[in-house]
Amino acid sequence: DGGITQSPKYLFRKEGQNVTLSCEQNLNHDAMYWYRQDPGQGLRLIYYSQIVNDFQKGDIAEGYSVSREKKESFPLTVTSAQKNPTAFYLCASSIVQPFNQPQHFGDGTRLSIL
Amino acid sequence: EDKVVQSPLSLVVHEGDTVTLNCSYEVTNFRSLLWYKQEKKAPTFLFMLTSSGIEKKSGRLSSILDKKEPFSILNITATQTGDSAVYLCAVGGYGSGTYKYIFGTGTRLKVLA
Repeated sequence: DGGITQSPKYLFRKEGQNVTLSCEQNLNHDAMYWYRQDPGQGLRLIYYSQIVNDFQKGDIAEGYSVSREKKESFPLTVTSAQKNPTAFYLCASSIVQPFNQPQHFGDGTRLSIL
Repeated sequence: EDKVVQSPLSLVVHEGDTVTLNCSYEVTNFRSLLWYKQEKKAPTFLFMLTSSGIEKKSGRLSSILDKKEPFSILNITATQTGDSAVYLCAVGGYGSGTYKYIFGTGTRLKVLA
């Protein structure tokens, strides 16, 4: 079955450490997205990519980095510069053309600080 | 600044009740409005609305869009405990050569047996 796989489900970060969240999709979607979800808040866009080797900052990109070397993969690195990383992280993908296509989501990674 | 506002923030009802969830928005170059249901993990897609006045329906759930106001409502009739979830509204807009979604904070619905 096609879908989006995020790993790990739970992740703990020590002070000063970088951690990488994995996102893989086999839906053949061109566009991929990373969102952060905090309690009582909606999804906020961190980074997105509409094509391999290209990505754009979303609304809260500071302290995060991404790469898009393959169509299927869009890993997110939470760097030590992100001072409040505890949150639920969701990866999504969608068709780019035509517009107005719903996003498909992975099951998320919950990141906590040790 | 683009924004999506959902109301109420939370709601507790009893099985069999009917609920109406609201989503208003201000988004540049509106293209679509989407409703998702989020239980524990991944939001699951419910409806996509692009035209005013056309109701989308799936079982006990229905939704309609008013682009003039602008807002959308999600109705759930004869609620069941399995409807307990966070319902997210997302609005897609096109600007600066890219298409992005703005999400509301969600409405947390709890249905009591």
